[in-house]
Amino acid sequence: DTEVTQTPKHLVMGMTNKKSLKCEQHMGHRAMYWYKQKAKKPPELMFVYSYEKLSINESVPSRFSPECPNSSLLNLHLHALQPEDSALYLCASSQEGGSYEQYFGPGTRLTVT
Amino acid sequence: QQQVKQSPQSLIVQKGGISIINCAYENTAFDYFPWYQQFPGKGPALLIAIRPDVSEKKEGRFTISFNKSAKQFSLHIMDSQPGDSATYFCAASRGYNNNDMRFGAGTRLTVKP
Repeated sequence: DTEVTQTPKHLVMGMTNKKSLKCEQHMGHRAMYWYKQKAKKPPELMFVYSYEKLSINESVPSRFSPECPNSSLLNLHLHALQPEDSALYLCASSQEGGSYEQYFGPGTRLTVT
Repeated sequence: QQQVKQSPQSLIVQKGGISIINCAYENTAFDYFPWYQQFPGKGPALLIAIRPDVSEKKEGRFTISFNKSAKQFSLHIMDSQPGDSATYFCAASRGYNNNDMRFGAGTRLTVKP
């Protein structure tokens, strides 16, 4: 089973709202990732968790707050977003280490109004 | 700084033809080179990957050719089908314990029936 699940599939939020994106995998992977993808662009790395600890933060604004409650779950908390944050947010997981396959979830389509 | 350069940006191929997408990288520390296929509204799906100790890898109709000295790799899709119409991303990552994967800009492939 190489499935990464993400909820919700779609999310519309106002600039003053607080919402969370959720990601789950049951492949025993110890690295989990958040990517942001704008239309017709490649995924951009936001955060990496390794063994439930934040290992990479690509200078993402503080209005995005990641959380890894356990080895199977990854959350992205959203607060005071801007319209330009509208994008497809992708979660991925892999075995620990950069040279392993990353498996992506279907993404959450976020629209900030 | 774009670490992985991908071309062409878009490609139109007739059914049954060969689709070829090229990528070049700069960082010689990269040691894992995957290709992802992405359909509209979906997350990227791992298609095939190669490591620099081999020059070619084939899986069904998909082949990666790798030229370490030129720092280039390419994806060949043989007998292209309309169902192959999607966006293809090459990527590169480096080293054990480094989860930093960099994507090319993407190629939008259209296979005409």
